[in-house]
Amino acid sequence: DAGITQSPRHKVTETGTPVTLRCHQTENHRYMYWYRQDPGHGLRLIHYSYGVKDTDKGEVSDGYSVSRSKTEDFLLTLESATSSQTSVYFCAITGLAGLINEQFFGPGTRLTVL
Amino acid sequence: GENVEQHPSTLSVQEGDSAVIKCTYSDSASNYFPWYKQELGKRPQLIIDIRSNVGEKKDQRIAVTLNKTAKHFSLHITETQPEDSAVYFCAASRGDSSYKLIFGSGTRLLVRP
Repeated sequence: DAGITQSPRHKVTETGTPVTLRCHQTENHRYMYWYRQDPGHGLRLIHYSYGVKDTDKGEVSDGYSVSRSKTEDFLLTLESATSSQTSVYFCAITGLAGLINEQFFGPGTRLTVL
Repeated sequence: GENVEQHPSTLSVQEGDSAVIKCTYSDSASNYFPWYKQELGKRPQLIIDIRSNVGEKKDQRIAVTLNKTAKHFSLHITETQPEDSAVYFCAASRGDSSYKLIFGSGTRLLVRP
């Protein structure tokens, strides 16, 4: 599906521990995004990247950091996980058809913080 | 800030009937409006989209209409089938050329056989 993978697919961790989620794409697309999905809130943007080492905040960025050292990988880090960060995390990329706005999603990572 | 409101939050229809989901947006510079379908435990999948230079777009049983003056757009599904049951999300592009989307909160559609 659109050459996007996420790892891990499921993770259970404890409050206060660091967690890193990985998004990998094989399509060489410039734009990548991290969203979280919670009941009643739809998809909310955490951070996004518009190129290698170029990132910016989304609407719910507190408690999260990102890095993009290669075009194909976009990492999301929770420096000290909290229970409020229990969620499903989706990565997305744009432009598979050459149109910058079309976003395609990875399979998701279900994170539980105990 | 900019937001997208989506209604209804749940919708139940009889198989064969039509379903309509409506969204309003606040950023007058938005120019791209996609709709996603998400089945239980799966990723959101793009099903149809429309750009601001078009008022309506149709793809088989689904159609999207856009009213830029009123800042609202709608998804229409005709001849609904049980496999249409899913959560549907609308979204609008940010008008600041950041290539970001703002999503609605979703509509859970149930098609009763």
